[in-house]
Amino acid sequence: EVQLVESGGGLVKPGGSLRLSCAASGFTFSNAWMSWVRQAPGKGLEWVGRIKSKTDGGTTDYAAPVKGRFTISRDDSKNTLYLQMNSLKTEDTAVYYCTTEEGYCSGGSCYPGPFDYWGQGTLVTVSS
Amino acid sequence: SYVLTQPPSVSVAPGQTARITCGGNNIGSKSVHWYQQKPGQAPVLVVYDDSDRPSGIPERFSGSNSGNTATLTISRVEAGDEADYYCQVWDSSSDHRGVFGGGTKLTVL
Repeated sequence: EVQLVESGGGLVKPGGSLRLSCAASGFTFSNAWMSWVRQAPGKGLEWVGRIKSKTDGGTTDYAAPVKGRFTISRDDSKNTLYLQMNSLKTEDTAVYYCTTEEGYCSGGSCYPGPFDYWGQGTLVTVSS
Repeated sequence: SYVLTQPPSVSVAPGQTARITCGGNNIGSKSVHWYQQKPGQAPVLVVYDDSDRPSGIPERFSGSNSGNTATLTISRVEAGDEADYYCQVWDSSSDHRGVFGGGTKLTVL
């Protein structure tokens, strides 16, 4: 059974930093593309960014609102995904979900896919 | 950036068919994924690549995509289908960034 368990959320002041973790089990983590998706209170879903599997280059992509402030990384030896969030703003307040992404690369091109498994989410509140 | 437009709400009686649309410029050329989110829960993938269903998702859930509109169809709607539904695509014009629609609240009357 696939399990994704986020942790690290909490209250932080504007301008502060926070690191989220996502512990994965039930699948071959090292082969998986992983994404973070967030949801502000009472609002819709917003993609934050992804990291590809090392086999597919291990590269990252970010949504415009977080690019340059957030960093996604992975430790395949620990089956863990991370989201380092710096220079936090009040508008970053949201539940952050860790997801698997059914993407792959082939023949020099990469093809992103759906978010097929989701964690339960962790709440990040940015407030003074 | 690419924009997906969903109606804020759709209402349907039990046993009837619900259709939730997702509009986008030439969305028919993209693969559309649909997620169901019930209150207080994480989203669940219900349709991927326009019309495929993950294992465990009832056949009542189906999808189509053509031109500028993708549609999620839920047949024989049940009370348990009441939820928010989101469409999602990847914007190939901006390094494959993820784009979600604003979500549609399905109310079962």
